[in-house]
Amino acid sequence: DAGVTQSPTHLIKTRGQQVTLRCSPKSGHDTVSWYQQALGQGPQFIFQYYEEEERQRGNFPDRFSGHQFPNYSSELNVNALLLGDSALYLCASSFGQGRVEQYFGPGTRLTVT
Amino acid sequence: TQLLEQSPQFLSIQEGENLTVYCNSSSVFSSLQWYRQEPGEGPVLLVTVVTGGEVKKLKRLTFQFGDARKDSSLHITAAQPGDTGLYLCAGERYSSASKIIFGSGTRLSIRP
Repeated sequence: DAGVTQSPTHLIKTRGQQVTLRCSPKSGHDTVSWYQQALGQGPQFIFQYYEEEERQRGNFPDRFSGHQFPNYSSELNVNALLLGDSALYLCASSFGQGRVEQYFGPGTRLTVT
Repeated sequence: TQLLEQSPQFLSIQEGENLTVYCNSSSVFSSLQWYRQEPGEGPVLLVTVVTGGEVKKLKRLTFQFGDARKDSSLHITAAQPGDTGLYLCAGERYSSASKIIFGSGTRLSIRP
């Protein structure tokens, strides 16, 4: 039973560039949430996708956008990267939009220089 | 404003000792989850509590949800080096059922 997978593992970008991160949910799950985790902090909710639409959004600017595909996989896009965007980006999957339990992937470590 | 406060932030104890970490809020949550995260990895779900006053046990770990659904505790008995990690609590708010709020975590180190 494949768990949540994310790619790439690590990424280094320059300020002003754009980045795309990818996530495949756990088998049987249809909902994907994205989180940003700065060093020494807990994860901060970015947004959630269900049925290919953004359903909930945290306090993040429009530079952060996403997409969900028919196979439930998802992408997180960040435009005009800032140094402060450096963080571990986590994807979590679950079954159903109103679900309680979610399972996290290993994350993508993004460094912006 | 940090909606979920975890304490202590750091804890280093000897193997075999007992410990309790706390997760407190002024907000009411429909459910609360505890995760453990190791360096370079995503959080791993340990338990979900949904009923006020609920107690759940997972081997040497005991989790309790406060009666008013505003706080929770995690108690570890006879800690082992394998318990080392970052422990995160996360609450699901009634007003936004799909939005989970995480605490900043308790970093636990168990010395052999």
